[in-house]
Amino acid sequence: DGGITQSPKYLFRKEGQNVTLSCEQNLNHDAMYWYRQDPGQGLRLIYYSQIVNDFQKGDIAEGYSVSREKKESFPLTVTSAQKNPTAFYLCASRPGQGFTGELFFGEGSRLTVL
Amino acid sequence: AQSVTQLDSHVSVSEGTPVLLRCNYSSSYSPSLFWYVQHPNKGLQLLLKYTSAATLVKGINGFEAEFKKSETSFHLTKPSAHMSDAAEYFCVAPSVRGSQGNLIFGKGTKLSVKP
Repeated sequence: DGGITQSPKYLFRKEGQNVTLSCEQNLNHDAMYWYRQDPGQGLRLIYYSQIVNDFQKGDIAEGYSVSREKKESFPLTVTSAQKNPTAFYLCASRPGQGFTGELFFGEGSRLTVL
Repeated sequence: AQSVTQLDSHVSVSEGTPVLLRCNYSSSYSPSLFWYVQHPNKGLQLLLKYTSAATLVKGINGFEAEFKKSETSFHLTKPSAHMSDAAEYFCVAPSVRGSQGNLIFGKGTKLSVKP
């Protein structure tokens, strides 16, 4: 079955530690996205990538980093510079550019800072 | 600036009664519009999308939405709520910022369904 796999589903981190969230897709989609979700705030874009070896900052990129070395993989690192990292993180992909294509989402990763 | 406004953060209905979730958008052009549903601790799933082919769009699970350009609205409806419809719903529009085809999400409407 094609889809997007995020791991881990739950993650706990101590303050000052970096953590990396995995996102893998086998849909052969060009574009991939990372969103952060907080209660009552909807989804906010962290980073996105339209093509391998290229990515762009979204609205809340500070304290996060990404890489896109392979088409199917788009990992997100939450660094110690992110002041309030506790949140639900969603990875998504879509076939390419344009305004009509839907996003396909993973199941999400919930990060809690202790 | 483009925006998507979901007019209610929380809607509560009884099982078997109609559902109305309201969404207004602001855009200088006729956009594509989407409704997504999210069950607790899950990813988002597409309910339906409008792409200018027809103003009344039918989606999964009996939901539909009507695009009204004069009112800049794209409200989501269902004639009869089911307990399994309890979830959070997001109205989404594309952003023309840059060339990435990014999407703007509303803040979500949490739907509760009472027995």
